[in-house]
Amino acid sequence: QKEVEQDPGPLSVPEGAIVSLNCTYSNSAFQYFMWYRQYSRKGPELLMYTYSSGNKEDGRFTAQVDKSSKYISLFIRDSQPSDSATYLCAMSYNTNAGKSTFGDGTTLTVKP
Amino acid sequence: GAVVSQHPSRVICKSGTSVKIECRSLDFQATTMFWYRQFPKQSLMLMATSNEGSKATYEQGVEKDKFLINHASLTLSTLTVTSAHPEDSSFYICSANPIVGQPQHFGDGTRLSIL
Repeated sequence: QKEVEQDPGPLSVPEGAIVSLNCTYSNSAFQYFMWYRQYSRKGPELLMYTYSSGNKEDGRFTAQVDKSSKYISLFIRDSQPSDSATYLCAMSYNTNAGKSTFGDGTTLTVKP
Repeated sequence: GAVVSQHPSRVICKSGTSVKIECRSLDFQATTMFWYRQFPKQSLMLMATSNEGSKATYEQGVEKDKFLINHASLTLSTLTVTSAHPEDSSFYICSANPIVGQPQHFGDGTRLSIL
């Protein structure tokens, strides 16, 4: 069993839809939870990160962490075609937030 | 703007060639950098942790002699794929932490194709 499981997708939604991306994990020692966006042939771009449980909002993006359920989510409101990309969740143990463990990614397509 | 720069972005070369990939931290010093490998439609797999002024730490299953890492300065780490073969073809990505306690930022990756 993988340490981090991510809904594989692919996901296709119409422009303006609310998108929900999810990951589960097995290791309760994870403390930092990140979401990255990766466009084709590019490196991952950090979207949001949270420490421990709770919600964090940044514009159209909301990240949620539920440590009791070992479940994290990223919500995208009013999705745009430019949001079409692969989204990777990632988690790490320590304060340096290095050596992260990644999910396999969910590919999202937002159709105009 | 980008905080981690990677070069080159694309390499195509013959089997048996050694290829060097550079990873630079922009406007910050990085005592630690990370090298990942990503196959198509798969996630990032950590290969090694590059430590400035000391030996790199390799993940299990990664050949040290195959993937040479040098971190000679606080802003530059290099990954050399020695005697590359077609099975080494992949997307190689480096990362570093601009701010201690915050997540990694990634370079744009190097797509390596060995013919």
